[in-house]
Amino acid sequence: DVKVTQSSRYLVKRTGEKVFLECVQDMDHENMFWYRQDPGLGLRLIYFSYDVKMKEKGDIPEGYSVSREKKERFSLILESASTNQTSMYLCASSPADRAAAFFGQGTRLTVV
Amino acid sequence: DQQVKQNSPSLSVQEGRISILNCDYTNSMFDYFLWYKKYPAEGPTFLISISSIKDKNEDGRFTVFLNKSAKHLSLHIVPSQPGDSAVYFCAANAGGTSYGKLTFGQGTILTVHP
Repeated sequence: DVKVTQSSRYLVKRTGEKVFLECVQDMDHENMFWYRQDPGLGLRLIYFSYDVKMKEKGDIPEGYSVSREKKERFSLILESASTNQTSMYLCASSPADRAAAFFGQGTRLTVV
Repeated sequence: DQQVKQNSPSLSVQEGRISILNCDYTNSMFDYFLWYKKYPAEGPTFLISISSIKDKNEDGRFTVFLNKSAKHLSLHIVPSQPGDSAVYFCAANAGGTSYGKLTFGQGTILTVHP
């Protein structure tokens, strides 16, 4: 079974802090994604990566950056956390030739 | 610009009956469609998918129908069970060089009553 693991289930951070969300997948997938889920808005793509050191902006990249130094690991960085970044963050991965992504368990981030 | 829309925020169904969840899309480049199920405090899990070359795909109690001319897809669950109560998201992919990017709808909360 594919496993996508996010480093934290719950996080509480202060406004202005730099926040790192880590994601690791164990199936050698080429593609990795970061989404956020908000009520009434569904899942929205923040950033994705199709190869090591490659990254592309999604639909809502403002205030975020990403890092992919190794194939199995994809990090999301909130440069200066703000209250409107309080959300559920979901990491996903998929093989290069398939669109069915596998998701991690999510990180509930609260910025106070 | 919401390219994938689920216009029903919630659906309530009696156990044993059929649940029908609907999804509309606007982008003609979408050629692969998926349904995900999500329980609270968990990540979405893949349920069923359909390619644009088909109009129906079935997997056990779950069937997805695709009407390309209407840009509409639906998920049928028969018979519905209380364990099916969750949020259901439809998603679409444009293939080609989209690198597996998915565009999601807003989700529909399904409640199946015993």
